[in-house]
Amino acid sequence: DVKVTQSSRYLVKRTGEKVFLECVQDMDHENMFWYRQDPGLGLRLIYFSYDVKMKEKGDIPEGYSVSREKKERFSLILESASTNQTSMYLCASVGGTWQPQHFGDGTRLSIL
Amino acid sequence: DAKTTQPTSMDCAEGRAANLPCNHSTISGNEYVYWYRQIHSQGPQYIIHGLKNNETNEMASLIITEDRKSSTLILPHATLRDTAVYYCIAEGSSNTGKLIFGQGTTLQVKP
Repeated sequence: DVKVTQSSRYLVKRTGEKVFLECVQDMDHENMFWYRQDPGLGLRLIYFSYDVKMKEKGDIPEGYSVSREKKERFSLILESASTNQTSMYLCASVGGTWQPQHFGDGTRLSIL
Repeated sequence: DAKTTQPTSMDCAEGRAANLPCNHSTISGNEYVYWYRQIHSQGPQYIIHGLKNNETNEMASLIITEDRKSSTLILPHATLRDTAVYYCIAEGSSNTGKLIFGQGTTLQVKP
C-alpha cells in the first residue's frame, strides 16, 4: 500500500513565523501535491511537483513556497504565517497518468 | 473537468449494502470516475476508480452506466467505520493535481 506521511497532525504557530510542513511518500511517485481544505471551500491546490527540484503553482500559491530536493519528500513553506492560513493541509502523491492520488492524514495548522 | 452531483446525505443500516449514486452527465471520453472518502479529521482515502467497465476491489464495487453519465459506488456490507463523506470525481488525469472535491455525500451507517 502507498504510504504518504505528514510530519505533524496538529501544529500551532504564531503570526509572522516561518512554518515548514513536511510530506514523505514511500512509493517512488514522481508527482506530489499540497492542498488546503477549508469548510465550505473543499480542497484547493496550492502547489504541485512533477519531479525533483520542479514545482508548479496551483490555484492558491500566494503566501506559500515549496521545496522538493528528494523524490520522496515535498515540503510546504509558509514564509510568514498569517491567521488566514489556519487550515487543514493535505499532501498527496500519484504514480502516473490515470492512477489515483493518495493522501496523507493531514496537518491541522493553527496560526495565532 | 466534468461536474459531478451527489446527494447531500444518506443513511444505511449496518450490515446492509450502501449504494451511493453520482451523476456526471458532462463527462468526456478520457475522464475517469474516482471515488474517495474522508473520515472526520483524516485525509481523503482512495476507494476505487474506473473508465467505463465495472470495477471491484476489496473495499467496494463501482458500477458505471453504459452512457457513462452516472455511476454507483457499492459498499457491500456497510459497517459503522464506513461512516464518512464520500466524494465522486470525474477527472481527465489525476496526476495534474486538478482533483475537484465537491460537497460529497455524508453516509451515516446506523446500528
